Amino acid sequence: DVKVTQSSRYLVKRTGEKVFLECVQDMDHENMFWYRQDPGLGLRLIYFSYDVKMKEKGDIPEGYSVSREKKERFSLILESASTNQTSMYLCASSPPPTGGEQYFGPGTRLTVT
Amino acid sequence: QQQVKQSPQSLIVQKGGISIINCAYENTAFDYFPWYQQFPGKGPALLIAIRPDVSEKKEGRFTISFNKSAKQFSLHIMDSQPGDSATYFCAASAGAGSYQLTFGKGTKLSVIP
Repeated sequence: DVKVTQSSRYLVKRTGEKVFLECVQDMDHENMFWYRQDPGLGLRLIYFSYDVKMKEKGDIPEGYSVSREKKERFSLILESASTNQTSMYLCASSPPPTGGEQYFGPGTRLTVT
Repeated sequence: QQQVKQSPQSLIVQKGGISIINCAYENTAFDYFPWYQQFPGKGPALLIAIRPDVSEKKEGRFTISFNKSAKQFSLHIMDSQPGDSATYFCAASAGAGSYQLTFGKGTKLSVIP
């Protein structure tokens, strides 16, 4: 089975802190994604990567950056956390040819105080 | 921004009843329409998916109906069970070259005994 793991299930950070969310997948997938999930807004794509060191902005990239140094690992970075970034963050991966099934991790509930 | 509109936002169904969730899209280039199921505390997982060359796909109690001319698709859950209580997301993507899934905002289904 595909497994996507996220480094933390719950995280509490203070405003202005730099926050790293880590995601690892074990299926050698080329594509990886970061979403945030908010009630009534569904899943919104923050960034995605289709190869090592490659990244593309999604629908809501402002305030976030990403890093993909190894194929299995995709990190989401909040350079200076703000309270409006309190949310559930979901990582996903998918094999080529893309646009198909995505496999999601369990999510990280981030609270910024 | 490409959109997928999902309704209703929440749904309460009696055990044994039929749950129906509807989605509508605008982008005629969409050619893959998955439904994801998410239980509390878990990431979404693919439930069933359809491509526009068929009008219906059935897997067990779950059926996708697809109307290409109306640009609509729906999920039907027959003989709904309390274990089906979850949030359901429809999604769409456009072509093998597309990396992105566009998600609806979700429907919270509660199946009551």
